[in-house]
Amino acid sequence: DAGVIQSPRHEVTEMGQEVTLRCKPISGHNSLFWYRQTMMRGLELLIYFNNNVPIDDSGMPEDRFSAKMPNASFSTLKIQPSEPRDSAVYFCASSLARRSHYGYTFGSGTRLTVV
Amino acid sequence: GENVEQHPSTLSVQEGDSAVIKCTYSDSASNYFPWYKQELGKRPQLIIDIRSNVGEKKDQRIAVTLNKTAKHFSLHITETQPEDSAVYFCAASPPTGANSKLTFGKGITLSVRP
Repeated sequence: DAGVIQSPRHEVTEMGQEVTLRCKPISGHNSLFWYRQTMMRGLELLIYFNNNVPIDDSGMPEDRFSAKMPNASFSTLKIQPSEPRDSAVYFCASSLARRSHYGYTFGSGTRLTVV
Repeated sequence: GENVEQHPSTLSVQEGDSAVIKCTYSDSASNYFPWYKQELGKRPQLIIDIRSNVGEKKDQRIAVTLNKTAKHFSLHITETQPEDSAVYFCAASPPTGANSKLTFGKGITLSVRP
């Protein structure tokens, strides 16, 4: 398995532009998580899906952020309009949630810079 | 909800010495405790985990211990090597279910001095 695949790896954009981050979870995993990592705040959970359904989006900073999971193999995180304070590394992770817990597998992340 | 804390925020040890990283959690219902290692510029990776029905688990130079009564768990690294230098995150999760999720600590930066 190729693991969790995120694209792009790096994104530099101007303030006010729309940014779309993409994630392909591990095949067979039924939970998907979007995290944001900064030096100040550490790893923050933004939103997570179970069986493609959003379960908890309380970590989404504001209405400028939205996430979708149209099918089991693809998810997007969109920021519109982007602001410099959105600069961070965004990780997608997936896991298999069944009777027993299994750890999350993280993607390589997208480093977003908003100038 | 669950609250996971890690102390200290940084730890420096001499190569070959042991390192112990401690975490506390608040939700007594939590029953799964993984540890992640994140090297500079890379993704967090699961290195070891423990479930609440055991008190200790070992994997080569790393081990994790769990004290359910005190609600804390620790990562032990023996014979530390420079490549152990990284940020280590602990996490906790309640029993599985559609709404179950891991809560991560803030991370501890471990530096191993050659």
